Amino acid sequence: GAGVSQSPSNKVTEKGKDVELRCDPISGHTALYWYRQSLGQGLEFLIYFQGNSAPDKSGLPSDRFSAERTGGSVSTLTIQRTQQEDSAVYLCASSSSGTATDTQYFGPGTRLTVL
Amino acid sequence: GDSVTQMEGPVTLSEEAFLTINCTYTATGYPSLFWYVQYPGEGLQLLLKATKADDKGSNKGFEATYRKETTSFHLEKGSVQVSDSAVYFCALSYGGATNKLIFGTGTLLAVQP
Repeated sequence: GAGVSQSPSNKVTEKGKDVELRCDPISGHTALYWYRQSLGQGLEFLIYFQGNSAPDKSGLPSDRFSAERTGGSVSTLTIQRTQQEDSAVYLCASSSSGTATDTQYFGPGTRLTVL
Repeated sequence: GDSVTQMEGPVTLSEEAFLTINCTYTATGYPSLFWYVQYPGEGLQLLLKATKADDKGSNKGFEATYRKETTSFHLEKGSVQVSDSAVYFCALSYGGATNKLIFGTGTLLAVQP
């Protein structure tokens, strides 16, 4: 079946602009995650959605970052007033439930470049 | 806090050589442990996992054993191939309300023919 998809694959923006990144998880997966991969920081957790529970936002680096998950499926990560340090690859993952033994399946990522 | 430490790369080996990539973790509880791999130009994918102490995860000739006494999860393969060239990430997760993966920094493996 289809894997996790993300769009756009690449995004170039100017400093100060807002951007939206989209994630379509695997159908039926109740858990969805956002991570960020950058040269300086490696792979960092950003936010986790599980079913109808309140999301775990503990990894969001600042209040310029927010995410929504509509209808328990598609998720959008929004970065307001982008800064150059936001440049990174943003990865989305989903898993069938929120247990530690679950495999998280990753999408191809969105490469964000802030000029 | 919880963390994962991996050996620095790059690791350069000849084809058919034995591979070990060291991974140790610091955890307040009893996490599940994972190895993820990122092939050139591709996304992250699970290589293997182990969910409790003494479990051995294996896949594609790779193995790793969850060692609670040494807090380690070293990745091994008896005979590497050029196609194994990739970046390997060790990670841990607890599940529940904080089911995030905590990753190590990654180890680049380059296998030469």
